[in-house]
Amino acid sequence: GAVVSQHPSWVICKSGTSVKIECRSLDFQATTMFWYRQFPKQSLMLMATSNEGSKATYEQGVEKDKFLINHASLTLSTLTVTSAHPEDSSFYICSARDSRPSTDTQYFGPGTRLTVL
Amino acid sequence: AQSVTQPDIHITVSEGASLELRCNYSYGATPYLFWYVQSPGQGLQLLLKYFSGDTLVQGIKGFEAEFKRSQSSFNLRKPSVHWSDAAEYFCAVGAFSSASKIIFGSGTRLSIRP
Repeated sequence: GAVVSQHPSWVICKSGTSVKIECRSLDFQATTMFWYRQFPKQSLMLMATSNEGSKATYEQGVEKDKFLINHASLTLSTLTVTSAHPEDSSFYICSARDSRPSTDTQYFGPGTRLTVL
Repeated sequence: AQSVTQPDIHITVSEGASLELRCNYSYGATPYLFWYVQSPGQGLQLLLKYFSGDTLVQGIKGFEAEFKRSQSSFNLRKPSVHWSDAAEYFCAVGAFSSASKIIFGSGTRLSIRP
């Protein structure tokens, strides 16, 4: 199946710094990507929908100024956690939509574990 | 509003036994339904999906799920589990295409008894 990668797979940063997470679709073009957040032993919560060339759509309760999303190309979306704090520590997962008629499904990346000290 | 309920937080079954994980959904239109599996510290792997047609869907790793509109259910089954099936299982619902956001249930953790 299609492959979606995330980089880095894990990151540790100091409180107050910013962290950028990349999500790439490796063998297909993704006009739409999604960012999720998962707390330990909990489900995935959708944070935002990222559309190539336009502004992201954020879910209710997600701070758009804190979680900056950029979808500058058909294969890359980035999530930047600005001024990170320990409560931002979480597992961040992206998914990318493969819109080709033969598949038309979302593929998930392996996730990025963020720890803010 | 869209929602997915997985009533079982944790299930333990013996290796070789059959498995059924429950999922109920609430959706205003015809739903797209999914089952994903997540191993510890890993991303999600799609087991199967239902969009339309035959209500019994076959997936990977020997899993199947049955869509029952009258019960708003999409339960996952496997006739004989293997130790490698131990993981977290998520049921999810989306709109009519993969461009739509997917709403996940709270997950069911499956443990396998040797």
